[in-house]
Amino acid sequence: GAVVSQHPSWVICKSGTSVKIECRSLDFQATTMFWYRQFPKQSLMLMATSNEGSKATYEQGVEKDKFLINHASLTLSTLTVTSAHPEDSSFYICSANQVGRGNTIYFGEGSWLTVV
Amino acid sequence: LAKTTQPISMDSYEGQEVNITCSHNNIATNDYITWYQQFPSQGPRFIIQGYKTKVTNEVASLFIPADRKSSTLSLPRVSLSDTAVYYCLVGDPGFQKLVFGTGTRLLVSP
Repeated sequence: GAVVSQHPSWVICKSGTSVKIECRSLDFQATTMFWYRQFPKQSLMLMATSNEGSKATYEQGVEKDKFLINHASLTLSTLTVTSAHPEDSSFYICSANQVGRGNTIYFGEGSWLTVV
Repeated sequence: LAKTTQPISMDSYEGQEVNITCSHNNIATNDYITWYQQFPSQGPRFIIQGYKTKVTNEVASLFIPADRKSSTLSLPRVSLSDTAVYYCLVGDPGFQKLVFGTGTRLLVSP
């Protein structure tokens, strides 16, 4: 079946540095991927829609210059948290839909980011 | 995007049937109803999806009344491993953006 993979599963970085999280669709092509963040014991919050070959669409309140999204191919989207701060520590999850395969969304395993 | 309302939490015991109801009063004609399960520190996992009436798969059933303003996820004979958060989402199949509600935290006890 369809699989969406994220890397790394967890990462620790220092304040002020940037960190990149990758989201890959392993056996299907995805023109659109989505990025969510989730704080402990809270629901998923949609951050942005990643569009292959074009600019990402950000949800209200999400800083596009802080959370850089690149969707350079049909199987890879990356989220870069720039100048990270401790309040950016969170669980980041991506999702993707199979092109031409209807309406089932597949989620990645998630990536834990801890900023110290 | 249709807003959903679910109970915050539910408790059950092993072997019981669990029914989680979701309200989506402003569901649109093209919207499907999808349920996801999420364990701690994992991404959500697809459980079941439907448009109307009843859908059943190997893990759950989904009941949708004629007016589609609500839906009920039924988990038969739950086990401890079914302890998780369950999310109900509605959306147009061609409109892939999903907005998560609070979800229902199910706790299954021995």
